[in-house]
Amino acid sequence: QVQLVESGGGLVKPGGSLRLSCAVSGFTFSHYYMSWIRQAPGKGLEWVSYISSSSTYTNYADSVKGRFTISRDNAKNSLSLQMNSLRAEDTAVYFCARLTVDPAGDPDYFDYWGQGTLVTVSS
Amino acid sequence: QSVLTQPPSASGTPGQRVTISCSGSSSNIGTNTVNWYQQLPRTAPKLLIYSNNQRPSGVPDRFSGSKSGTSASLAISGLQSEDEADYYCAAYDDSLNGPVFGGGTKLTVL
Repeated sequence: QVQLVESGGGLVKPGGSLRLSCAVSGFTFSHYYMSWIRQAPGKGLEWVSYISSSSTYTNYADSVKGRFTISRDNAKNSLSLQMNSLRAEDTAVYFCARLTVDPAGDPDYFDYWGQGTLVTVSS
Repeated sequence: QSVLTQPPSASGTPGQRVTISCSGSSSNIGTNTVNWYQQLPRTAPKLLIYSNNQRPSGVPDRFSGSKSGTSASLAISGLQSEDEADYYCAAYDDSLNGPVFGGGTKLTVL
């Protein structure tokens, strides 16, 4: 069955860095776009970033552009999110999710989600 | 402030039919398909409806979705206690060049 397992969350000081990972199994990882979505405590969902199946294309929310970098290793079935210059407002549970594209090749819906990893940015 | 607008709360009694609205604009719902996610308490979101009105395998037919213009709706018929959850609509936004979510609707089964 499809499994996505995030890791790497924790407590970090403002201005610090953290790298999240997502280990994937149960489908052909190299065939799918992947994404990170976050949820601040008690708040709604916010899309963070996505990456195409072969890493050709990446996209970021304006709130993280220039600070976060998404990457993937298709040989290891692994997705990563490097987070730099962290701010208090980045505090959230970070979910990795499989992103299915529409027939035109455009991002469409998130059909499988991991359980999330909590990132807390505080001094 | 979310790009897509949902009511913060909704409620119903067991067996009742409940609808949750999602309002957007020409750059998101007006142009692209709408998806709905269910988040049970203390769990990850789960895809509930995709492509406006399609149910993934395993989702009961009590859940249905529709779209008209720049708005969409999720309907839940035969409401059950286990439907108590947060529901989010989402769509791709061509102006923002990324997926956007509604603020979420907390459904309470009375």
